[in-house]
Amino acid sequence: AQSVTQLDSQVPVFEEAPVELRCNYSSSVSVYLFWYVQYPNQGLQLLLKYLSGSTLVKGINGFEAEFNKSQTSFHLRKPSVHISDTAEYFCAVSLKTSYDKVIFGPGTSLSVIP
Amino acid sequence: DSGVTQTPKHLITATGQRVTLRCSPRSGDLSVYWYQQSLDQGLQFLIQYYNGEERAKGNILERFSAQQFPDLHSELNLSSLELGDSALYFCASSPAGGRSEKLFFGSGTQLSVL
Repeated sequence: AQSVTQLDSQVPVFEEAPVELRCNYSSSVSVYLFWYVQYPNQGLQLLLKYLSGSTLVKGINGFEAEFNKSQTSFHLRKPSVHISDTAEYFCAVSLKTSYDKVIFGPGTSLSVIP
Repeated sequence: DSGVTQTPKHLITATGQRVTLRCSPRSGDLSVYWYQQSLDQGLQFLIQYYNGEERAKGNILERFSAQQFPDLHSELNLSSLELGDSALYFCASSPAGGRSEKLFFGSGTQLSVL
């Protein structure tokens, strides 16, 4: 079975500073990878996804993530954060062979400090 | 607005009771997913339906059941409620074909069991 680990439960960062949110996954077969964001009192929305092809994926709001198969990682990065980026970020995985279940990591709470 | 509608937004009930949560997917989406979000368990996949049929099952308790109707809306039934069932319950839908490449989430139903 696949699983997702997000080692950092909380990440505080100053406004306009860069940020990296870490995600590692475990799976015996190939997977699709996703990052979702949850703003306060809202549902989740997709930031970006990796299905195949280029390992560097660009998403909305200036975020990007890089798939590293050897390290089974899919870290999310942004070069300069804004106050509005304060939210909960979830890394997720689904199997390529059976993409019915999307399994989410525990989430990382990003707090942008003015 | 994701296009996924969940009702009610808030539900307060007592232990031992039964409740029904309702979800209307985006127009044209055939797949519906249910997730439970709590502080201690994170975002847990419960169950998925595709065009009226159960497609995948996650950590769903036997006291919980779900179904998807011919008009594609879905209901999650929670019975013999316990304090620990208090959580935010999300419904999500995905585009036709059952692929989970992108999930569209509703804003959730906050269940409080007293």
